[in-house]
This record gives sequence, C-alpha cells and structure tokens, in this order.
Amino acid sequence: DQQVKQNSPSLSVQEGRISILNCDYTNSMFDYFLWYKKYPAEGPTFLISISSIKDKNEDGRFTVFLNKSAKHLSLHIVPSQPGDSAVYFCAARGDYKLSFGAGTTVTVRA
Amino acid sequence: NAGVTQTPKFRVLKTGQSMTLLCAQDMNHEYMYWYRQDPGMGLRLIHYSVGEGTTAKGEVPDGYNVSRLKKQNFLLGLESAAPSQTSVYFCASSPRTGGPGELFFGEGSRLTVL
Repeated sequence: DQQVKQNSPSLSVQEGRISILNCDYTNSMFDYFLWYKKYPAEGPTFLISISSIKDKNEDGRFTVFLNKSAKHLSLHIVPSQPGDSAVYFCAARGDYKLSFGAGTTVTVRA
Repeated sequence: NAGVTQTPKFRVLKTGQSMTLLCAQDMNHEYMYWYRQDPGMGLRLIHYSVGEGTTAKGEVPDGYNVSRLKKQNFLLGLESAAPSQTSVYFCASSPRTGGPGELFFGEGSRLTVL
C-alpha cells in the first residue's frame, strides 16, 4: 500500500507563474519530508526538505509547506522557469529509508 | 568527485538469464539503497543496507538479491530474470545523520528483459 501519494501526474504552468505540487501521506511516524527533481536519463536530485516539527521551509524560489493534521505537504515554485520542467517526486523518511510518491511532471510554458 | 556510479547503464536480458548490477559510491556513506522506477509507480525500494555486511528487504524484494561486502559497493542480483523486472534501476547512498537523510542517486541502469 502506497504511503506517499502524488495525485496529479502532470502540471503545466506559464513561465513566471507559481507552480504548486501536492503530496499526501498516510504514516504519521515519518520524521522528514523531501522533494526530488528528476530530468530524463538522469538520477533524481535533492531539492528541499522539511522536518515533521516544522510547517514551512524556504530555499530561494522553492518553499515547502507541511500540514501534519491533514498529512499533506506542498511544494511551491515561484517564479517558474523553463529549467524547472522535470518530474518532481515527494518522499517521506521513516526507519532509515525514503518512500516516494509516483511523481508529478511539470512543464513550464514560455 | 564521482558520487554514485552504476554499472552497466543499459542491459538487455532474455527471460531466465541472470545478471548483477554494481553500485559504487565514493562518499563514505553508511547507507545504500536500490530502487526501481516504473511508469506511474514512482520509485519503489527493492533492498537496502545500513552498513557493510548488512542488508534488508524493501517494498518489492522478490526476485532480487543483494550483497554489501564492502562499504562502498552495493550489488543487486537477478538470479532468473523475468519480463516484469524490465525497469530503470537506481542506486542511492546517504550518510548516517540526524538530519533529513537526503539520498544521493546514481544515473540509473535501464534493464530490458525479453
């Protein structure tokens, strides 16, 4: 049973606008949440993380929000740039390992 | 600095053949992982290791074996390949840390089983 879910397979956004990616989880024991970015034919690369005791973490254009009561997190990218076109994976850490969502493909239109 | 290196990058097998994927990391990380990526399924954990000489099962371990004889290497074996094992395989490593446990991934190995 998938413990981390990304229900939107794809997202298309205009350059300069905000991209919002969503992720839901079921296991309340997860202690960290991470976002990874993946380009075709490359391995995923770490983007940003948040501890389960925080509700927001910001790094440049990227902000992650965590709502523990709803078991929901989101990644905001603003402003979106063409280089942001990629697959984004949400991940949650528990017991030494990360559980990943299915990914959301973001396309930034010029 | 090479990071995480996977060998081979591509391989085509016939059903029933065996093979080994090699993962090597030069960051002195304690933890290593093997994931597979399939369309619509994201990354699913096959096996992992929290230290030299130790291994543990992940979500989808059936049909795979692993070994971690040296800290820097993590081998993934398929004893009798099946078409369902056609996938892209990613190796990752992470340091022992109290932080988020960020994983560092290799570039992937694309395996096709005919």
